[in-house]
Amino acid sequence: LAKTTQPISMDSYEGQEVNITCSHNNIATNDYITWYQQFPSQGPRFIIQGYKTKVTNEVASLFIPADRKSSTLSLPRVSLSDTAVYYCLVGDMGSSYKLIFGSGTRLLVRP
Amino acid sequence: DVKVTQSSRYLVKRTGEKVFLECVQDMDHENMFWYRQDPGLGLRLIYFSYDVKMKEKGDIPEGYSVSREKKERFSLILESASTNQTSMYLCASSLSLAGRGGEQFFGPGTRLTVL
Repeated sequence: LAKTTQPISMDSYEGQEVNITCSHNNIATNDYITWYQQFPSQGPRFIIQGYKTKVTNEVASLFIPADRKSSTLSLPRVSLSDTAVYYCLVGDMGSSYKLIFGSGTRLLVRP
Repeated sequence: DVKVTQSSRYLVKRTGEKVFLECVQDMDHENMFWYRQDPGLGLRLIYFSYDVKMKEKGDIPEGYSVSREKKERFSLILESASTNQTSMYLCASSLSLAGRGGEQFFGPGTRLTVL
């Protein structure tokens, strides 16, 4: 069963760049890596998705090395409203299709 | 905007009761999912469905069943609720299988307490 590992928490200050790394040693060949953001009392919300190398959208970048055993979510110039829990999601290499979320990284952005 | 709605935000039930959690999506998505979320454990997949009347077990299906009679509706059933099923339950839908390029859209969650 694939397992993902993320830091439990991170602290940052407004205006800084934040990088959150997820380890996923047994990622399946065809699986994508997806990151979600969750605020209290809400369901997770999609941030970004990629398969390999680098992907960038209007809110974040995602870096995936060639071996795909990890991924790094990069949030440029965070603000107080980026305080949330961030989850990475990858597929499972087991015989049946399963979705494995990391346990989440709680990001606190300070003024 | 994709909307995923769940029938209740908060629910309190007693041990042994049969519990139904309903989820409806309005974007004609093929795939629907039920997760539970517990502190320190993140989201764990209970069941997912890739078509009407089709279902697949996720990581933790024990004690749960599901029903998908219509494309837009996916129900999670606790046949006999137990206290260890006290949790936040999240429903999601996607156009393609989530780990293979599809974005999941989540509902707001149902916080279930079993006494």
